[in-house]
Amino acid sequence: GQSLEQPSEVTAVEGAIVQINCTYQTSGFYGLSWYQQHDGGAPTFLSYNALDGLEETGRFSSFLSRSDSYGYLLLQELQMKDSASYFCAVRSSGNTGKLIFGQGTTLQVKP
Amino acid sequence: NAGVTQTPKFQVLKTGQSMTLQCAQDMNHNSMYWYRQDPGMGLRLIYYSASEGTTDKGEVPNGYNVSRLNKREFSLRLESAAPSQTSVYFCASSPLGEAFFGQGTRLTVV
Repeated sequence: GQSLEQPSEVTAVEGAIVQINCTYQTSGFYGLSWYQQHDGGAPTFLSYNALDGLEETGRFSSFLSRSDSYGYLLLQELQMKDSASYFCAVRSSGNTGKLIFGQGTTLQVKP
Repeated sequence: NAGVTQTPKFQVLKTGQSMTLQCAQDMNHNSMYWYRQDPGMGLRLIYYSASEGTTDKGEVPNGYNVSRLNKREFSLRLESAAPSQTSVYFCASSPLGEAFFGQGTRLTVV
């Protein structure tokens, strides 16, 4: 089976940097992706890592270490609008196969 | 470009009733997914389809059936709704790494 672990809650102040970690266990691995979800909304895609290393997209970066079964999402220059839930997801059965999500991390950004 | 479209947006069912949730994508993606999300919880995979004509069970398939009608459409059917199926249902499609979600269906079973 597959399982993902991420912290349930993170709090940070506006302008700061925050890192949300994700560890996973899976029988096969084809990539780790990250999504943002605001209350009452649908998840939206943020970043994807298939290979080890850092992917940067504006204020958001994502890192993957396949040997450690670990990744993280880094949010820089935090803004109030970044308050949301963040989910990591692992693709574990081929490039077009099963996509399993973690339980999510609620990020609260304070002024 | 509509992306992923789900219908209906809201639905109330009585226990034992049946219904089909519709999902269509116009991005020519091979993979499509159905998830449920309960309050304060993550997304749990119900069924997925890696390509037209194939479907596979996810983490919580009991009580549901799916149909991949063609490359665009992937429907989810509740044959006999139960209060435990009260949830928000999301459909998603994916080319490879990233997934794109519909706006969700809020289903209440009373």
